[in-house]
Amino acid sequence: DAGVIQSPRHEVTEMGQEVTLRCKPISGHDYLFWYRQTMMRGLELLIYFNNNVPIDDSGMPEDRFSAKMPNASFSTLKIQPSEPRDSAVYFCASSLVPTGGDTQYFGPGTRLTVL
Amino acid sequence: GENVGLHLPTLSVQEGDNSIINCAYSNSASDYFIWYKQESGKGPQFIIDIRSNMDKRQGQRVTVLLNKTVKHLSLQIAATQPGDSAVYFCAENAGNMLTFGGGTRLMVKP
Repeated sequence: DAGVIQSPRHEVTEMGQEVTLRCKPISGHDYLFWYRQTMMRGLELLIYFNNNVPIDDSGMPEDRFSAKMPNASFSTLKIQPSEPRDSAVYFCASSLVPTGGDTQYFGPGTRLTVL
Repeated sequence: GENVGLHLPTLSVQEGDNSIINCAYSNSASDYFIWYKQESGKGPQFIIDIRSNMDKRQGQRVTVLLNKTVKHLSLQIAATQPGDSAVYFCAENAGNMLTFGGGTRLMVKP
């Protein structure tokens, strides 16, 4: 299996621009998670999906952030408009069953820089 | 990844020695714990897990110990190798959501 796939690996954009991050979970995994990692706050859960349905988005920082999962093999995290404080590494992870039954498997991340 | 840091505690060990990385967790209701390894520029990678009904679990060169009384988790790495150099995170699960610790940087001296 190729593991969790994320694109792009690096994104540099200017403040105010729209940014879209993409994730392909491991085939057969019903749970998909989006995380953000920064030096100051570490790894934070933003949102997670079960069977393509958002279950908990309490970690999404504000309305500028949105996430979708149109099918079992694809999810996007969109920031519009982007701000310099959004600069971070964004990880997508997936799991076969609810966490507690199995671990989450992480993608390589997207390093976002907002100028 | 963005785990470099001024804020990360660092453990420095000699190659071949054993390493012990500690983690305090916060939620007494957590029922599942995971140790992840994160190398520079990569995502966290699963190392070993343990459920709350156990107090010890062994893998290849790694052992996780769980002390629920004091809410403490440790990762022991036997015969540490240069390839073990990374940041190590513990994570606790409560209600299908993982909460990650701040991480510890392990540096292996040749």
